[in-house]
Amino acid sequence: EVQLMESGGGLVQPGRSLRVSCAASGFTFSSYEMNWVRRAPGKGLEWIAYISASVRSIFYAESVKGRFTVSRDNAKNSLYLQLNSLSVEDTAVYYCARIRRSNNGYYHIDYWGRGTLVTVSS
Amino acid sequence: NFMLTQPHSVSESPGKTVTISCTRSSGSIASNYVQWYQQRPGRAPTTVIYEDNLRPSGVPDRFSGSIDRSSNSASLTISGLRTEDEADYYCQSYDTSIPWVFGGGTKLTVL
Repeated sequence: EVQLMESGGGLVQPGRSLRVSCAASGFTFSSYEMNWVRRAPGKGLEWIAYISASVRSIFYAESVKGRFTVSRDNAKNSLYLQLNSLSVEDTAVYYCARIRRSNNGYYHIDYWGRGTLVTVSS
Repeated sequence: NFMLTQPHSVSESPGKTVTISCTRSSGSIASNYVQWYQQRPGRAPTTVIYEDNLRPSGVPDRFSGSIDRSSNSASLTISGLRTEDEADYYCQSYDTSIPWVFGGGTKLTVL
């Protein structure tokens, strides 16, 4: 069974840093591209970061570029998101999500974790 | 860049059919596939439609997706509504500059 389990969320002051993690199981983690997606209170889903299986490609949303860093450790079946220079606008539930590529080359998210809540407040 | 616009909320009675729209602001809706994700309260999102109209295994055929070039929009239709369908629904597509674009989400109430 595919499982994605985020951890590391919590209360953090503005300007500080936090690292959230995603533990993957039930599939060959090293073969899959991954996303981080967040949902702020009262708002919709927002894509924030993508990392390829081999780490050769990484993309960020403009809202987090230069502040957040996505990484992975395929030996540990883990995905990470380093959140720096946090602001109250970064308060959200952060989800890791597995990307599935179809035979035609297109892709979509097929599994999501339950998310971890990051609250930025003084 | 483009945006995907969804109605903020829709409501319908159990057993009925509801359609949720997702309108692309610029560029053709047909130029990139559209996905639909369901998020029940307090739960992780799940995929209900991918590549415009395909259902992942386990998703009932009450869920269907389509695109309409004339209105430049995608639609998610849920027939035979059940109370467990009450959730937020998000459409998603792609852009060259922003790999993943989500709609603002639609709250479905089944009453």
